[in-house]
Amino acid sequence: QKEVEQNSGPLSVPEGAIASLNCTYSDRVSQSFFWYRQYSGKSPELIMSIYSNGDKEDGRFTAQLNKASQYVSLLIRDSQPSDSATYLCAVQGAGGFKTIFGAGTRLFVKA
Amino acid sequence: DTGVSQDPRHKITKRGQNVTFRCDPISEHNRLYWYRQTLGQGPEFLTYFQNEAQLEKSRLLSDRFSAERPKGSFSTLEIQRTEQGDSAMYLCASSLVGDPTNTQYFGPGTRLTVL
Repeated sequence: QKEVEQNSGPLSVPEGAIASLNCTYSDRVSQSFFWYRQYSGKSPELIMSIYSNGDKEDGRFTAQLNKASQYVSLLIRDSQPSDSATYLCAVQGAGGFKTIFGAGTRLFVKA
Repeated sequence: DTGVSQDPRHKITKRGQNVTFRCDPISEHNRLYWYRQTLGQGPEFLTYFQNEAQLEKSRLLSDRFSAERPKGSFSTLEIQRTEQGDSAMYLCASSLVGDPTNTQYFGPGTRLTVL
């Protein structure tokens, strides 16, 4: 079992729709969770971080964390073609330094 | 632009040659990380520095790989006797000890191609 699992996609949604990206992790003591966006050939760019159970909203993005289910998700509302990218889920343990990334989910937003 | 810089951005080398990459973190960041990313995969942790001390090394980091951060500022990653399997994007990230979130900010990466 991989430490951080994501559906590789591609996930295709029409412009204006909600895109839902999911991630599960195996280490129960994980404390910090991040979503990064990565365009082809570029480096990861931080979108959101979340540490407590529940929802965290930032503009069109909402991160959801459920530690009991070891599950974290990212919702993108009003999806735009410019949101087309690979979304990486990252999980950080109690030590606070080693971050494990999932393989990413490719998102396509059709105009 | 996160403020983390890497040099060079691209490197093409022949198998067996040595290569060295440089990372300059955000100026006040005392934690520095190296990752390797291959096509279709997420970044894989290689090593981590807090100030000048190398505190963690992945077992992915074979004896051909060495990293330094001599004065706690910039860092170098050297690969000796490169192999075709070393072809990847090498990413550097930095974070601040005082940041309770320990959010890591990535540089643009160095893309290595070993022929």
